Amino acid sequence: DSGVTQTPKHLITATGQRVTLRCSPRSGDLSVYWYQQSLDQGLQFLIQYYNGEERAKGNILERFSAQQFPDLHSELNLSSLELGDSALYFCASSGQGARDTQYFGPGTRLTVL
Amino acid sequence: GQQVMQIPQYQHVQEGEDFTTYCNSSTTLSNIQWYKQRPGGHPVFLIQLVKSGEVKKQKRLTFQFGEAKKNSSLHITATQTTDVGTYFCAGQGYSTLTFGKGTMLLVSP
Repeated sequence: DSGVTQTPKHLITATGQRVTLRCSPRSGDLSVYWYQQSLDQGLQFLIQYYNGEERAKGNILERFSAQQFPDLHSELNLSSLELGDSALYFCASSGQGARDTQYFGPGTRLTVL
Repeated sequence: GQQVMQIPQYQHVQEGEDFTTYCNSSTTLSNIQWYKQRPGGHPVFLIQLVKSGEVKKQKRLTFQFGEAKKNSSLHITATQTTDVGTYFCAGQGYSTLTFGKGTMLLVSP
């Protein structure tokens, strides 16, 4: 158990819908990262937050957004969902920033039908 | 942007054989990290290498960081069925950690 929690574990929805994925980092960690993992693309970095502020942006679509709240939990919002958005979404947390080891949560499996 | 290439994409070995995966970055890295993801699981941190030419061992696993800090390798001696999974390298650039696509290792008993 990494100490990072993600909810829900599974999510099935339809095209065009909007969903919110939730992540609670390890106690004391200030950084939260979001990744998308699909079979053909591997682990794609989406976005990083550090202590509530956006720190780095990766291959995140405009239809996706994220935020980190004062209690340090984070949410990833996916809107206007397409079939191709079906993937595993991982959240990871680390202590001081991108140079630290990242601890991954169990992931949310999103299926868009 | 920074790219991290990992080869092979996939390897199937017999239990007891050795296994190596290689990682190459398009840019010089400040450190490189290795993660293992078991089937159905999430990536789990294995090790971090920081110094040029660094070699670290964890039981049957040997990790190397190249002299130019642009490449790395993971070698497993005498694989076991518990080694099954996907091994990812992740290169630390200026501000982000870039993951390779991983090497999936299958071990037959």
